[in-house]
This record gives sequence, C-alpha cells and structure tokens, in this order.
Amino acid sequence: NAGVTQTPKFRVLKTGQSMTLLCAQDMNHEYMYWYRQDPGMGLRLIHYSVGEGTTAKGEVPDGYNVSRLKKQNFLLGLESAAPSQTSVYFCASSFRGKQYFGPGTRLTVT
Amino acid sequence: AQTVTQSQPEMSVQEAETVTLSCTYDTSESDYYLFWYKQPPSRQMILVIRQEAYKQQNATENRFSVNFQKAAKSFSLKISDSQLGDAAMYFCAYRPGANSKLTFGKGITLSVRP
Repeated sequence: NAGVTQTPKFRVLKTGQSMTLLCAQDMNHEYMYWYRQDPGMGLRLIHYSVGEGTTAKGEVPDGYNVSRLKKQNFLLGLESAAPSQTSVYFCASSFRGKQYFGPGTRLTVT
Repeated sequence: AQTVTQSQPEMSVQEAETVTLSCTYDTSESDYYLFWYKQPPSRQMILVIRQEAYKQQNATENRFSVNFQKAAKSFSLKISDSQLGDAAMYFCAYRPGANSKLTFGKGITLSVRP
C-alpha cells in the first residue's frame, strides 16, 4: 500500500514550457486535491475532485488545469509555466474527512 | 469565507518543556473540524490531532493536546515534554462539516533547543 505518490519529485522548467504533475493513490479514495505551498503562505488549494470525471476550482486555480480520468489518478497541468508558479506542490486524497498527503513536488520556473 | 490565522511565525522551546502554538479561525458554520498538521524538513504533511466542533472535550494524542475555545474561535496546540523530533512547521487547518476542502493557516516554525 503506497498511499499517495507524486511524480516527479523535482523539476526545473523554463518560462513558457508545459508540464504535467501526476498524483496517484491506491486507497480507492473519491476525493483528491492539489495544493501549492509558498513561503509564508501555508498550503493553498488549486483544484480538487470529488470523484472520477469531476473537477472543481479551489482558491488559486489560474494558470493550472486538472483531469481525473481514472479514480486513482489526479493530474495537474501547467500549459505555459511562469516564475510565479515556482512552488512546492502537494497532492492529497481524503476519506471520511481525513486527508492523506503525498511527498510533494518542488517545481522551479526560471 | 473561512480564514485561519496563525499570528506567530516562529517559536522556540527547550527540550522537555511545554509549548503552546496559537491559532484562530473565522467561520459562520456551526459544524466543522479543526486540525493541526506537522511538516518536518522531509516536507511530509503529518496529521497531529483533530477536533470536532460539536465535541466539548478537548482532543488529546499522547504529548499533544488542544485547547478548543469555540466561542472565541481559538484552537491552540500544546506540546508537552518537547522532543528534538518535534522541531518542524506546524499548520492549523479548518474544514467545514459538509465540505472536504481544508483551509490552512500560514504555519509556525517550531525549534527545539537541546
């Protein structure tokens, strides 16, 4: 039982490049989330999903897109990366109100 | 909108002593949950303790306990017998009862002096 995993762990992008962050969970959870963590800001919700095929915007959705084609996977896409998207990204899934976090992805946009 | 405020950016405690981390929140909901998460240098988010708003009794998990003051919308974390491994960032978080989304505070960095 791996819990919540994130791929990749680190990435450096140039401004304007695109990439996709993958989140996978093997706990059969319905709810999944993407957060970003910036110094002095805590974690802020980007997008979330309440089930396969559904997504919704969180607090800071601009510049990101998501997809939940399979229940176990939640993808976060950056179509045209900007330096302001330099951050640590966390994925989480939840069951009965308890959230399980992945190890995070450190993304740097130069 | 719900907000969670952690006004102290940093705190320090002597090993084996007790420290209290403060958190206040704002909500118009009557049913909600409050959490404290620990984030060590490994970056992993670890749930320390949770409190249901409808419960009057303060939650306790070993050396960790909370002081939940519903009327004052205050939710502080007390760490007793502090250990070096307690050094980390601590985040207070809020979740409305009918919603799965968490709102986090900005966090506090706790250092433990040997």
